[in-house]
Amino acid sequence: AQSVTQPDIHITVSEGASLELRCNYSYGATPYLFWYVQSPGQGLQLLLKYFSGDTLVQGIKGFEAEFKRSQSSFNLRKPSVHWSDAAEYFCAVAPSGTYKYIFGTGTRLKVLA
Amino acid sequence: KAGVTQTPRYLIKTRGQQVTLSCSPISGHRSVSWYQQTPGQGLQFLFEYFSETQRNKGNFPGRFSGRQFSNSRSEMNVSTLELGDSALYLCASSSTLADTEAFFGQGTRLTVV
Repeated sequence: AQSVTQPDIHITVSEGASLELRCNYSYGATPYLFWYVQSPGQGLQLLLKYFSGDTLVQGIKGFEAEFKRSQSSFNLRKPSVHWSDAAEYFCAVAPSGTYKYIFGTGTRLKVLA
Repeated sequence: KAGVTQTPRYLIKTRGQQVTLSCSPISGHRSVSWYQQTPGQGLQFLFEYFSETQRNKGNFPGRFSGRQFSNSRSEMNVSTLELGDSALYLCASSSTLADTEAFFGQGTRLTVV
């Protein structure tokens, strides 16, 4: 069955520290991969996406993610976290050609000043 | 360019009632998908519409239904509301071009009492 696992429910980092959020997926073929961010009471904003090609993708707000087929992973990274990055982050997969997303359970990021 | 608009933003209904939620996609987008977000189950896919046709459906009971109009606007309906239907309902729209992502609205917060 297709699934997405985000092993970390909560992560706390200090402002200025680096960040890595983990995402592992189970899917029969190479899926489309996404990272979205959600602030409290808000919708989802796309940070970055991977469809094909270069396995290191750059997104908005200084985020990047690396697709590793051998590890079925698509981890999100940021070299220096800002207080405004505090939010919940969701990894998602989708079959190509559809928008039937399968989301992970999310990782809530707290940033210490 | 206006984003995805969901109305109403907040709704309180009584058990047993029915409710209709509305979603206006980004201009030019013809695909609309719906998701339910709850603390217990996370983000779950409800259905996806393209050009007034339901293209995919999630694993929800028949009380949940949707439709899409010729102008791509979409509605979802939940009949015989249960307490467990309390959730944030998110709508997303997408263009028909290949390799594109879904853009999410801010959601409708439904509370069933």
